[in-house]
Amino acid sequence: DGGITQSPKYLFRKEGQNVTLSCEQNLNHDAMYWYRQDPGQGLRLIYYSQIVNDFQKGDIAEGYSVSREKKESFPLTVTSAQKNPTAFYLCASEESTLELATIYFGEGSWLTVV
Amino acid sequence: AQSVTQLDSHVSVSEGTPVLLRCNYSSSYSPSLFWYVQHPNKGLQLLLKYTSAATLVKGINGFEAEFKKSETSFHLTKPSAHMSDAAEYFCVVNRGFQKLVFGTGTRLLVSP
Repeated sequence: DGGITQSPKYLFRKEGQNVTLSCEQNLNHDAMYWYRQDPGQGLRLIYYSQIVNDFQKGDIAEGYSVSREKKESFPLTVTSAQKNPTAFYLCASEESTLELATIYFGEGSWLTVV
Repeated sequence: AQSVTQLDSHVSVSEGTPVLLRCNYSSSYSPSLFWYVQHPNKGLQLLLKYTSAATLVKGINGFEAEFKKSETSFHLTKPSAHMSDAAEYFCVVNRGFQKLVFGTGTRLLVSP
């Protein structure tokens, strides 16, 4: 089945560590996104990538980094510079047609600082 | 600038009664609008999308939404709630340049 796979589902990070969240899609979508969701709040854009080897900062990029070496993959690294990383992270990819662009989401990853 | 306002943080209904989740938007041009549903610890699932082809949009699981330009609204409705509808619902507007603006969400509670 086509879809977006995020892993791991749950991840625990110690203070000062960098961690990487995986996102893979087999939908052949060009654009991919990372969002952060805090309890009781909407989603905020971290980074997005329109094509391979290109990505742009979103609204809350500080303390995060990404790469886009392959069309299918868009991993997110949460660095030690991110002071409050505990959140639910959602990866998404975009289907673009002449009529409309529609975003589809993965199942999310929980990151907790211990 | 485009924005979206979900007027209720929580909505409670009884099973079998109608559902109304309200959303107002602001946009300087004809917007692209979406409703997504999120069950606990899950990603967001697309319910429906407004493409300007028709003002009444039908989605999955019996939901539909009506685009009303004069009221700048895109309210989500369902004739009869089911227990499985209990979730968080997000109204979303396309800000252009492949960026979406999310509402703060409405939690739907369904009682037996």
